[in-house]
Amino acid sequence: DAGVIQSPRHEVTEMGQEVTLRCKPISGHNSLFWYRQTMMRGLELLIYFNNNVPIDDSGMPEDRFSAKMPNASFSTLKIQPSEPRDSAVYFCASSFTGGIMEAFFGQGTRLTVV
Amino acid sequence: KQEVTQIPAALSVPEGENLVLNCSFTDSAIYNLQWFRQDPGKGLTSLLLIQSSQREQTSGRLNASLDKSSGRSTLYIAASQPGDSATYLCAVCFDSGGGADGLTFGKGTHLIIQP
Repeated sequence: DAGVIQSPRHEVTEMGQEVTLRCKPISGHNSLFWYRQTMMRGLELLIYFNNNVPIDDSGMPEDRFSAKMPNASFSTLKIQPSEPRDSAVYFCASSFTGGIMEAFFGQGTRLTVV
Repeated sequence: KQEVTQIPAALSVPEGENLVLNCSFTDSAIYNLQWFRQDPGKGLTSLLLIQSSQREQTSGRLNASLDKSSGRSTLYIAASQPGDSATYLCAVCFDSGGGADGLTFGKGTHLIIQP
């Protein structure tokens, strides 16, 4: 398996624009997680899905953030409208809850909002 | 609030030394604990996972221990090499009672191994 695949790797956008980040989890994994990493706050869980259903979105900072998982092999994290303080690295991870629940991470999307 | 703390925040040692990185967490109800490595500008690489029922795991020169009752884990690196230089992150999967949560991360230990 190619691992967790995120796109794009880098995104630069202007304040106010909509940004969509994409994630393809490892085949067979049934849990998917979105994290955000900043220098100040470290890695924070934004939202996670189990069997395509959102379980906990308490980490989503504002209503400007939304996430979907229309099927087992694809998820999106959308920011609308984007703001400079959203600049961070966004990671997607997946795991299989029937096993030891080891989490595997994608390479991340580095978002810069100017 | 469930928290994970890592000490020290940064560490610089000469090549060849054995070293210990520390991680503490606030709740003993956990599913597992993972240690990750992150190189600058890169993603997270899983090093070791310790399940709630286990006391330690070993992989090559790395050994991780878990003491749930005291809320502590250590990552032991033997015979350190310059290639071990990276940020090491401790992450805990807490059991909220309704099932496993996502991972809660510490802020990491930035490790430099001097040649």
